[in-house]
Amino acid sequence: QSVLTQPPSVSAAPAQKVTISCSGSRSNIGNNFVSWYRQFPGTAPKLLIYDNNKRPSGIPDRFSASRSDTSATLGITGLQPGDEADYYCGTWDNSLNIGVFGGGTRLTVL
Amino acid sequence: QVQLVDSGGGLVRPGGSLRLSCVASGFNFSDSSMTWIRQSPGKGLESISFINRNGSIKSYADSVKGRFTISRDNTKNSLYLQINRLTAEDTALYYCVSGRARHDSWGQGTLVTVSS
Repeated sequence: QSVLTQPPSVSAAPAQKVTISCSGSRSNIGNNFVSWYRQFPGTAPKLLIYDNNKRPSGIPDRFSASRSDTSATLGITGLQPGDEADYYCGTWDNSLNIGVFGGGTRLTVL
Repeated sequence: QVQLVDSGGGLVRPGGSLRLSCVASGFNFSDSSMTWIRQSPGKGLESISFINRNGSIKSYADSVKGRFTISRDNTKNSLYLQINRLTAEDTALYYCVSGRARHDSWGQGTLVTVSS
C-alpha cells in the first residue's frame, strides 16, 4: 500500500482535460515539494513536474500542477493519444525519512 | 548529456545477495544526492534507499532496512546497492536516480529476480 493515494485510473476523450489527485499527510505533501512523473510501458519514469508546479525544460504547458495543504493535483489539457501512460506523484516523507510515491494512475485517452 | 547506467541485477536464490552498481556521467555526480527506486512487476514505484552528496547521510525504507546497504564512490562517479537476504518480494526492476525527492534523471534499471 502506497503512502500517497492516487486514483488507479482516469480517462477522458481527446482534446479534453483530465486531473489526477494525490493525497498525503502533513509529514509528506504538507511540508515538502511534490513531483510528478510519467511512465510509458517498458520505460523508466520521466519527471513532468517538480517543486509542486514547475515544468522541466521540454515539458509542454499542457501539463500543470498544484499543491494545497496535504494534497496535490496534476492537470493535463488538450489530451492526446500519446498521453496514455502511468502517472505518479512523489515527495519526501519527514517521518519515514525516505521518498514516497503514490500508487500510480493509468490515464486512458478514449 | 546526463546518463545513469545501472548494472548488477540477475537471478538469485532466496537468501542470496547481489551488488547493484550505477555509473553516472554528464553531470557533477559529487554534487548530487542519489536514490535507489524499485518497481515490482506490474506495480508502482518504491524509494528504497537514499544517500547524500558525500555519503554521510543514508536512509532506507522499512522494507529493506538491515538487509540493503547504499554507498557511493565520487572518485568513480558510481553508486552502489548491496542487497542481502533476498526474498521473492525483492523481485523488481531497480533504478538508480538522481536527487532526494525530485528525480530528474533515471537509469534504465537493472532487473533482480529472486527465485529458487
